[in-house]
Amino acid sequence: QKEVEQDPGPLSVPEGAIVSLNCTYSNSAFQYFMWYRQYSRKGPELLMYTYSSGNKEDGRFTAQVDKSSKYISLFIRDSQPSDSATYLCAMSAGGMRFGAGTRLTVKP
Amino acid sequence: SAVISQKPSRDICQRGTSLTIQCQVDSQVTMMFWYRQQPGQSLTLIATANQGSEATYESGFVIDKFPISRPNLTFSTLTVSNMSPEDSSIYLCSVVIQGDTEAFFGQGTRLTVV
Repeated sequence: QKEVEQDPGPLSVPEGAIVSLNCTYSNSAFQYFMWYRQYSRKGPELLMYTYSSGNKEDGRFTAQVDKSSKYISLFIRDSQPSDSATYLCAMSAGGMRFGAGTRLTVKP
Repeated sequence: SAVISQKPSRDICQRGTSLTIQCQVDSQVTMMFWYRQQPGQSLTLIATANQGSEATYESGFVIDKFPISRPNLTFSTLTVSNMSPEDSSIYLCSVVIQGDTEAFFGQGTRLTVV
């Protein structure tokens, strides 16, 4: 079993839709949880990070962490074509582990 | 935040040759990392580049194949040695600024071995 599981998609939604991206993990020692966005031919860029359980909101993006279920989510409201990218979850407890990334396409 | 300049951005190399990838950061950082990103797979940590000492390699990666230099706190290189088509991948350098909560990445080097 991989430490971090993420459905690679691809995921295609119409503009304006709410997008839900998810990861599960097996290592209960993870304390920091991050979401990265990676555009084609670019390196990953940090979107959001949270510490331990709870929600964090930043504009159209909301990150949720449920440590009891070992499940994290990223919600994108009012999705835009510019949100089309691969989204990677990451988590760490002294060393980072990444999900495989979910490729998202938002169609105009 | 940190601005990371990585080069080359892409290269096509012959089997058996070596390629050195450079990573330059705009500020001094303690920890620099090298990752490999293969299509459809998660980022895989190759090694941690330590300033003033040998790099620390992850399981499955060895110094003879991926020698790393870290001459100062703003610069590192990764060499992919004796390349084979299986080494075709994207290679990324990364730095951590504050603990291990925020990692920043270079734009990656897309390597194709023919």
